[in-house]
Amino acid sequence: QKEVEQDPGPLSVPEGAIVSLNCTYSNSAFQYFMWYRQYSRKGPELLMYTYSSGNKEDGRFTAQVDKSSKYISLFIRDSQPSDSATYLCAMSGDTGRRALTFGSGTRLQVQP
Amino acid sequence: DGGITQSPKYLFRKEGQNVTLSCEQNLNHDAMYWYRQDPGQGLRLIYYSQIVNDFQKGDIAEGYSVSREKKESFPLTVTSAQKNPTAFYLCASKERAVMNTEAFFGQGTRLTVV
Repeated sequence: QKEVEQDPGPLSVPEGAIVSLNCTYSNSAFQYFMWYRQYSRKGPELLMYTYSSGNKEDGRFTAQVDKSSKYISLFIRDSQPSDSATYLCAMSGDTGRRALTFGSGTRLQVQP
Repeated sequence: DGGITQSPKYLFRKEGQNVTLSCEQNLNHDAMYWYRQDPGQGLRLIYYSQIVNDFQKGDIAEGYSVSREKKESFPLTVTSAQKNPTAFYLCASKERAVMNTEAFFGQGTRLTVV
């Protein structure tokens, strides 16, 4: 079983829809949670960074963390065709190397 | 502009050859990382370095080697021992290895065995 599970999609939605992307994880030591957006053939870019449980909002993006359920979500409001990309969740904990553990990514397509 | 530069963007390797992927950063970050990305598998950690002249194996280090002689540079060599090297390789850096801060990524190198 992978440490981080993420539905690969593809997820296709019409422009303006609310998108929900999710990851589950098994390692209770994870405390720092990130969402990266990756366009085709490009490096990932950081979208959201959260610590522990709770919500964080940044413009059209909201990140939620539920540590009791080991479940994190990214919501995109008023989705745009430019949001079409692969979304990767990533997380880390208080281990020596502090390297990120990634989900496999969800491919999102927003149809105009 | 500060950032991470990976080169080349595309690389072709013949069977039995070693190839080296370049990663340079001007962010003054201590920690650097190499990840491999395959379709449907996300990013897997190959090697990481927390400080100059030090590096550690990640989850899939077999068939790869690295060096960290300078703070800004962390080259990755894909050796002939790596049996399935075709993949997208990503280099990342972080300000301090012991801090749980975000990692910044380069634009990647796509390696293909021909």
